Amino acid sequence: NAGVTQTPKFQVLKTGQSMTLQCAQDMNHNSMYWYRQDPGMGLRLIYYSASEGTTDKGEVPNGYNVSRLNKREFSLRLESAAPSQTSVYFCASSEPRGIDYGSYTFGSGTRLTVV
Amino acid sequence: SQQGEEDPQALSIQEGENATMNCSYKTSINNLQWYRQNSGRGLVHLILIRSNEREKHSGRLRVTLDTSKKSSSLLITASRAADTASYFCAPDSWGKLQFGAGTQVVVTP
Repeated sequence: NAGVTQTPKFQVLKTGQSMTLQCAQDMNHNSMYWYRQDPGMGLRLIYYSASEGTTDKGEVPNGYNVSRLNKREFSLRLESAAPSQTSVYFCASSEPRGIDYGSYTFGSGTRLTVV
Repeated sequence: SQQGEEDPQALSIQEGENATMNCSYKTSINNLQWYRQNSGRGLVHLILIRSNEREKHSGRLRVTLDTSKKSSSLLITASRAADTASYFCAPDSWGKLQFGAGTQVVVTP
């Protein structure tokens, strides 16, 4: 099925460890996003990529880096994990043009715990 | 902040009843979107209403938009147990969505 695939689904890290969350979409969308969701809160935008080759900071970028590897893939890296980064991370993509422009397709999420 | 704010925070209804939730936002928008999230899952797009539209229907969903009041509402008619989820509104300006904390809806059989 077409959509957004995130890996891994679950991860436990120790404080100070690094890891990369992977995201790939097969809908030929131009724009991709990374959000985090904390209990009882909405999603907060970490970084986004409006098109291949560009990335921009969102609302909460500190402690994260991103790479738009190609049109399909957008990865999120935690260089030195902290307990405050314990969250569920969602990747999304959208097509900013055409009949269906504007709606986002989300992945199923990565549940990250930093101890 | 362009974040949408949903009201109420929680809603409990019985099957067959209608569920209404509201969303307010602060600045001009290109469109406003509603998403559903089942527990522990990703968000699913429900409906998108553009700034020049006032009402939109999709199946049992009805969305209204009042740009003069900067508000929107989502109505789910004839609710089912499977509608139990959190519902988020997301105003879209400049291609980025900002989500509120959502309305948690519980539909009991």
